[in-house]
Amino acid sequence: DTGVSQNPRHKITKRGQNVTFRCDPISEHNRLYWYRQTLGQGPEFLTYFQNEAQLEKSRLLSDRFSAERPKGSFSTLEIQRTEQGDSAMYLCASSSDRAEDIQYFGAGTRLSVL
Amino acid sequence: AQKVTQAQTEISVVEKEDVTLDCVYETRDTTYYLFWYKQPPSGELVFLIRRNSFDEQNEISGRYSWNFQKSTSSFNFTITASQVVDSAVYFCALVMDSSYKLIFGSGTRLLVRP
Repeated sequence: DTGVSQNPRHKITKRGQNVTFRCDPISEHNRLYWYRQTLGQGPEFLTYFQNEAQLEKSRLLSDRFSAERPKGSFSTLEIQRTEQGDSAMYLCASSSDRAEDIQYFGAGTRLSVL
Repeated sequence: AQKVTQAQTEISVVEKEDVTLDCVYETRDTTYYLFWYKQPPSGELVFLIRRNSFDEQNEISGRYSWNFQKSTSSFNFTITASQVVDSAVYFCALVMDSSYKLIFGSGTRLLVRP
């Protein structure tokens, strides 16, 4: 299967702990996106990469959040000092280089902060 | 500002009924792209259809059809002869040519009862 892969699928953590999620995009895609989805809402954009360069970050991405895409392949999203409000589904997507190109999504990582 | 509105929160139909999901968008850009995604209970967003702002030709694909009208800023999606497997949350989304992030509506939950 050459789709977008996200790990872990579920993460339960205690408030104040750090967590890290991983996304493996479709191999030929240069763009990688992170979105966050809370219950009953549509996904909201967090950040995106063109190859290894992080080109845009949403205001939703506080300084406790950091994303990387070393070597332009997989990406990690880290949340430091988690808060209960961070509980959400974190979705990763990848696409080719144009705005019109379809973004293909992974199954997401569901984070629960207790 | 860019915005996508899906006024229908939840729709319930009986199998084999036709159902239309409404989507209204706002943007000042002249070049943009509209998408419909399906999110089944498994959580993964599945791409269904894309239209660019210059292509108002409506389309039928199997049981799915789309009605794009720039004059009313609407991009509605119809399922003909609905099936239980169509039960999911459906999201309408917008991308401007000047940006790369998808702007999602809040979704419409479709329940198809046997």
